[in-house]
Amino acid sequence: NAGVTQTPKFRILKIGQSMTLQCTQDMNHNYMYWYRQDPGMGLKLIYYSVGAGITDKGEVPNGYNVSRSTTEDFPLRLELAAPSQTSVYFCASSTTSNYGYTFGSGTRLTVV
Amino acid sequence: RKEVEQDPGPFNVPEGATVAFNCTYSNSASQSFFWYRQDCRKEPKLLMSVYSSGNEDGRFTAQLNRASQYISLLIRDSKLSDSATYLCVVNDNDMRFGAGTRLTVKP
Repeated sequence: NAGVTQTPKFRILKIGQSMTLQCTQDMNHNYMYWYRQDPGMGLKLIYYSVGAGITDKGEVPNGYNVSRSTTEDFPLRLELAAPSQTSVYFCASSTTSNYGYTFGSGTRLTVV
Repeated sequence: RKEVEQDPGPFNVPEGATVAFNCTYSNSASQSFFWYRQDCRKEPKLLMSVYSSGNEDGRFTAQLNRASQYISLLIRDSKLSDSATYLCVVNDNDMRFGAGTRLTVKP
């Protein structure tokens, strides 16, 4: 039972480069989320999705993009990476918006 | 005022101690409440939901006070393995995460 799988686990990007963070869940959850966690701060919501084909912005969407073509996959795209995007990124999923989340193990991204 | 506020700690306690964490939230319309546990360099994991009547899971007890807009987590007979950061989470149509309270249990 894999749950929520994120790849890669670590990545170093140069300023201006782009990359996609992958997230897959095998629990048939409709709701999926992308958060970033900075030291000493609570998790901040970047984007979320309530089902395949539906995405919406969270609290800190600038510099990111998402798509949700299937129930299982919810990739996060970083365009033109900036040092401010250095963070730990977590993908999560849930059965409903009012239920506890299952998180992936995270991606540690450094932009230099 | 932050939407969800927690004492950052750290709380350093000996094994067997009882420790309590509090969390306050700003939106009185918040609907559901949770405690998560996050180990160092790991993902958050759901510890327990918090119900209006209070609820207990083994050594862990969660309480909700809607009038004062705070939730609490009590850990009894603390173990070394309880060392982690505890995140308070409040749902007011968006899940809002506190920054966490760090607990270290020492032998």
